[in-house]
Amino acid sequence: QKEVEQNSGPLSVPEGAIASLNCTYSDRGSQSFFWYRQYSGKSPELIMSIYSNGDKEDGRFTAQLNKASQYVSLLIRDSQPSDSATYLCAVSLTGGGNKLTFGTGTQLKVEL
Amino acid sequence: DTGVSQNPRHKITKRGQNVTFRCDPISEHNRLYWYRQTLGQGPEFLTYFQNEAQLEKSRLLSDRFSAERPKGSFSTLEIQRTEQGDSAMYLCASSLVGTPPGEYFGPGTRLLVL
Repeated sequence: QKEVEQNSGPLSVPEGAIASLNCTYSDRGSQSFFWYRQYSGKSPELIMSIYSNGDKEDGRFTAQLNKASQYVSLLIRDSQPSDSATYLCAVSLTGGGNKLTFGTGTQLKVEL
Repeated sequence: DTGVSQNPRHKITKRGQNVTFRCDPISEHNRLYWYRQTLGQGPEFLTYFQNEAQLEKSRLLSDRFSAERPKGSFSTLEIQRTEQGDSAMYLCASSLVGTPPGEYFGPGTRLLVL
């Protein structure tokens, strides 16, 4: 079992729709959860972090965390073509130096 | 401060040669991380420093890889006797202990071993 699992996609959504990206993790000791956006050929860019159960909203992005189910999601509202990228889920253990364990990423395509 | 910087941005080398990459973190950040990313995969942790101390190395990291952060500022990653399997994007990230939200990545160094 992979430590962090994501559907590789591609996930295609029409412009203006809500994109829903999902991630599961195996280590119950995981404490911090992050979503990174990565454009082709570029480095990952931090877009959201979440530490406690529930929802966290930042602009068009909402991160959701359910530690009991070991599940993290990212919702992107009013999707734009510029949102087309690979979205990486990452988790870290407190006391582990905050090193990140990444999933393989979900490719999102926002179509006109 | 403009963020994490890495040099060179691209490196092409022949198998068996040694290469060295440099990372300059965000100035006030005391943690520095190295990751490696291959096509279609997420970044894979290699090692990290807190100030000048190297606190963890991935068990997957070959003895051919060595990293330093001599004064707790910039870091270097050296790969000796490169192999074709070392071809990847090498990413550096930095963070400040005790402050969220996470790690900030540099632009990466893309290595191609021929």
